[in-house]
Amino acid sequence: QITLKESGPTLVKPTQTLTVTCTFSGFSLNTPGVGVGWFRQPPGKALEWLALIYWHDDKRYSPSLSSRVTIVQDTSKNQVLFTITNADTVDTGTYYCAHFSTTVTTGYFDPWGQGTLVTVSS
Amino acid sequence: DIVLTQSPLSLSVTPGEPASISCRCSENLLPGKQYNYLDWYLKKPGQPPQILIYLGSIRASGVSDRFSGSGSGTDFTLKISRVEAEDVGVYYCMQVRQTPFTLGQGTKLEIK
Repeated sequence: QITLKESGPTLVKPTQTLTVTCTFSGFSLNTPGVGVGWFRQPPGKALEWLALIYWHDDKRYSPSLSSRVTIVQDTSKNQVLFTITNADTVDTGTYYCAHFSTTVTTGYFDPWGQGTLVTVSS
Repeated sequence: DIVLTQSPLSLSVTPGEPASISCRCSENLLPGKQYNYLDWYLKKPGQPPQILIYLGSIRASGVSDRFSGSGSGTDFTLKISRVEAEDVGVYYCMQVRQTPFTLGQGTKLEIK
């Protein structure tokens, strides 16, 4: 059974660095066709894709954030970390990580973690 | 970036009645690919998103057969044959053909 759980700070001040962690089980990020993605949903707004890391450590980012974000994996801990530098109030939202299955005959995020709410405010 | 436009943005449906959501892509998702990499997700209140449909028309494991996906290229549709109270939430289409992955604005389904 695949599970993912997000963790991170509940409150971050503007200009600080925000890091959220996805701890997963039930799969290996070394398995071909597997990835972990990050999404967020600002209060009252739509879901937004942020970043993806593939099994071969290829990393992709949303262009709107690419200058401020990084995604890394810690294979020893079965974790994927997502960092936003120079946090702004617009970064407030619920952050979700999700398992990505990507083969010729698949391409979807399932399952998802429960999400973690991060507020950026002074 | 591929822009996804959903319509309608909100739906109010009587239980037992059908519902349909459209997702239009700014680019054709097929060229150079074997499949349409277009997913449908449902975000219920207080829950994380859940996959409903992938590759445009394949129902994910455990998803009710009341849900169906169709379409190809740039135009896709999610249909619910008979809406139930548990279907309330926001429905999103997402293209995973190429990064940056992009999602529609979401369609909020309410029960009359």
